Amino acid sequence: DAMVIQNPRYQVTQFGKPVTLSCSQTLNHNVMYWYQQKSSQAPKLLFHYYDKDFNNEADTPDNFQSRRPNTSFCFLDIRSPGLGDAAMYLCATSRDGQGFGYTFGSGTRLTVV
Amino acid sequence: GENVEQHPSTLSVQEGDSAVIKCTYSDSASNYFPWYKQELGKGPQLIIDIRSNVGEKKDQRIAVTLNKTAKHFSLHITETQPEDSAVYFCAAAEGGANNLFFGTGTRLTVIP
Repeated sequence: DAMVIQNPRYQVTQFGKPVTLSCSQTLNHNVMYWYQQKSSQAPKLLFHYYDKDFNNEADTPDNFQSRRPNTSFCFLDIRSPGLGDAAMYLCATSRDGQGFGYTFGSGTRLTVV
Repeated sequence: GENVEQHPSTLSVQEGDSAVIKCTYSDSASNYFPWYKQELGKGPQLIIDIRSNVGEKKDQRIAVTLNKTAKHFSLHITETQPEDSAVYFCAAAEGGANNLFFGTGTRLTVIP
């Protein structure tokens, strides 16, 4: 089945220690997104890739970076995680950047200790 | 930018009753309105969506209505079942744009 897969499901990292979350997709969608969702809140867009073009949201902290080495994979790098970065991180894809047809992964829950 | 408001934040219904969740949006350019169901520890799953050229859409026990003039849209779940218990998010987007603007979510509990 075509899908969006996020690994790992749960990630524990130390305060200030770089961490990478991964996302892969078999949908062959052009656009991949990273959302941050804190407890009891709506998902918040951090950035997205349209093909190889990176688009950062204005209020995304510099601590968050992303890489997309090919169509199928996208990574979220947190350079120096703080306690406030503990959240669920959701990857999503869409075809041709249309708002229609977003597909979300199951998310990675990040804990910072 | 777009602002999506969602009410209520929590909703409890008896099994078999109907549930209604309402959202309003601010940007008249928005023309795509999906609804997502998020179960504990999982990512949001699209359950139904509607585009602005349609006033109502139904899929079995789930329906969505859209009033473009008033800028509001609603999710209706009939004959609720315990497995409908989850957090539901509405969202709005301008087709062709890359951002979905989410409401703040409604925690629905269906009491057996």
